[in-house]
Amino acid sequence: EVQLVESGGGLVQPGGSLRLSCVASGFTFSIYAIHWVRQAPGKGLEYVSVISSDGKITYYANSVKGRFTISRDNSKNTLYLQLGSLRPEDMAVYYCAREGSGDGYNLDFWGQGTLVTVSS
Amino acid sequence: QSVLTQPPSVSAAPGQKVTISCSGSSSNIGNNYVSWYQQLPGTAPKLLIYDNNKRPSGIPDRFSGSKSGTSATLGITGLQTGDEADYYCGTWDSSLSFYVFGTGTKVTVL
Repeated sequence: EVQLVESGGGLVQPGGSLRLSCVASGFTFSIYAIHWVRQAPGKGLEYVSVISSDGKITYYANSVKGRFTISRDNSKNTLYLQLGSLRPEDMAVYYCAREGSGDGYNLDFWGQGTLVTVSS
Repeated sequence: QSVLTQPPSVSAAPGQKVTISCSGSSSNIGNNYVSWYQQLPGTAPKLLIYDNNKRPSGIPDRFSGSKSGTSATLGITGLQTGDEADYYCGTWDSSLSFYVFGTGTKVTVL
């Protein structure tokens, strides 16, 4: 069974940092690109970042570029998202999601999410 | 803000059909495949449709997808109370170089 389990969320002050983790199981982690998507309370889905299967290619939404860093450790089946210079608008549930197969991009399995609260 | 536009809400009685539109541009829907996601209250999103009209294993054929030009549509037939959820379209945007989601549509079963 494919599983993605996020952790690392919590309360952080504006300007602070946090590292999120996403542990994968049930599939060959090292051959899949993985994405981060966030959802502010009561709002829609917002794409955050993606990393290629080998970790060499990354993309970021403009809203987080220069402040967030995505990385992965294929030996540990783990994806990371380092959050820096956090702002109140970064408060959201952060989901990791696997990029599925198919002709186009799709996110076929999602974790349950981890909540990041940015407040003083 | 999102580059894909969806109606905020749609509703219908049990057993009826609803359609949800997703409007984009040539840099996203017009030249890339569309996916649809269902988010039940308090849960993570779930892939419903991919590659415009394909259903992952386990998704009933009551759910269908289509695409024409720079718009896509999700259809749900035989509406059930368990279908009450938020639905999002998603696709790659070649200009922005990342994935984009629609604004989301809340489906209510009357």
